[in-house]
Amino acid sequence: DIVMTQSPDSLSVSLGERATINCKSSQTVLQTSSNKNSLAWYQQKPGQPPKLLLYWASTRESGVPDRFSGSGSGTDFTLTISNLQAEDVAVYYCQQYYITPQTFGQGTKVEVK
Amino acid sequence: QVLLVQSGAEVKKPGSSVKVSCKASGNTFTTHVITWVRQAPGQGLEWMGAFIPIFGSADYAQNFQDRVTISADRSTNTVYMELSSLRSDDTAVYYCARDAFFSYENSGYYHWGALDSWGQGTVVIVAS
Repeated sequence: DIVMTQSPDSLSVSLGERATINCKSSQTVLQTSSNKNSLAWYQQKPGQPPKLLLYWASTRESGVPDRFSGSGSGTDFTLTISNLQAEDVAVYYCQQYYITPQTFGQGTKVEVK
Repeated sequence: QVLLVQSGAEVKKPGSSVKVSCKASGNTFTTHVITWVRQAPGQGLEWMGAFIPIFGSADYAQNFQDRVTISADRSTNTVYMELSSLRSDDTAVYYCARDAFFSYENSGYYHWGALDSWGQGTVVIVAS
């Protein structure tokens, strides 16, 4: 199985500042046929299902604010939340859908400092 | 917006089985893969398997291979996840979700996609 490792496990950021979450996969998730990375980011708030933020590592889902951005390729990826808002407090997960079993990172909890 | 509506909470005894349903709106069921993911209390997300309607078959995570069955009823646009031989560590919230980009090659190789719509979750508690 592909192991997804996120860092840090939690971070505290002031409102209006930037939050950066890293995600590393134990093997590449780059589809050579399409040159796309099979990597998604989700946001989960308490008592709610996860919400898709980004897919193909950097494509924003419809309706997701542009302060959420993704980067990276191969095995190393980053989710950046610029200009952190109070409503961004949540747990964030990366996921690889390159092969099954699809696997998720352990989650990163983002709080307001 | 795709709507996935799951069945209600369940309390089960160890060793028994649970069957959770996920009803999809529109033609989602016929055109998209439906995936099952679970989340134990305070824990992360775990992929269990998926139903692939174009083949009428399911793909399972090895961790659940012998205990999980994912099936579907086309007449009601509903996908089911049945987990047997329940243990206390199966206590979790079980989610169904739609795969946004699933495709396949003639060789039989699957290309999976991100999960763009989720059900509300079904709490399953396993306790004696």
